[in-house]
Amino acid sequence: SQQGEEDPQALSIQEGENATMNCSYKTSINNLQWYRQNSGRGLVHLILIRSNEREKHSGRLRVTLDTSKKSSSLLITASRAADTASYFCATGGAAGNKLTFGGGTRVLVKP
Amino acid sequence: DAGITQSPRHKVTETGTPVTLRCHQTENHRYMYWYRQDPGHGLRLIHYSYGVKDTDKGEVSDGYSVSRSKTEDFLLTLESATSSQTSVYFCAISEPQKGGLAEQYFGPGTRLTVT
Repeated sequence: SQQGEEDPQALSIQEGENATMNCSYKTSINNLQWYRQNSGRGLVHLILIRSNEREKHSGRLRVTLDTSKKSSSLLITASRAADTASYFCATGGAAGNKLTFGGGTRVLVKP
Repeated sequence: DAGITQSPRHKVTETGTPVTLRCHQTENHRYMYWYRQDPGHGLRLIHYSYGVKDTDKGEVSDGYSVSRSKTEDFLLTLESATSSQTSVYFCAISEPQKGGLAEQYFGPGTRLTVT
């Protein structure tokens, strides 16, 4: 079973708009990570947020983490056509270096 | 793709035949992982390795075995391929950080079709 569940499953926006996707998880975590996957390619790491952090920024990306609600959100500001991809959250537990991935959100940015 | 290659990139095989997929890294990372990706299931961990000859099972390990005789190579073997193992297989690597924090770097994937 998946630890993380993304919402929505699919998102279609116009270039320049913001895209927000959410991730919910079930058990306690050490960290939560977001990855991007372009069609037919491997996943690319975007950002890691520790369990004791609430918000993190990287360029046009903003990630929040609410451990009390067991949820995280990824915001992409001023989206571009090149942001069209699937986005996955992945949770890491305290033991070891395993990640559990969610099912992903497919984002389509229309030019 | 961070110095990770997978071979073959595409393979079609028949039910009941053995198949071996190879992951090769040039980053000298300690951890290596095999995932499968299927529609509706995201990525699921098959097996992983935390050092040479040190491996452990993931959530969908039945029907798969792995071996790691060198730091740079991690092999995934389907002993007797079944149609349910038709999938895209990804290898990933990571280097353990303090506190269990580590991002993973992914290979380009292998598309396997079992007929």
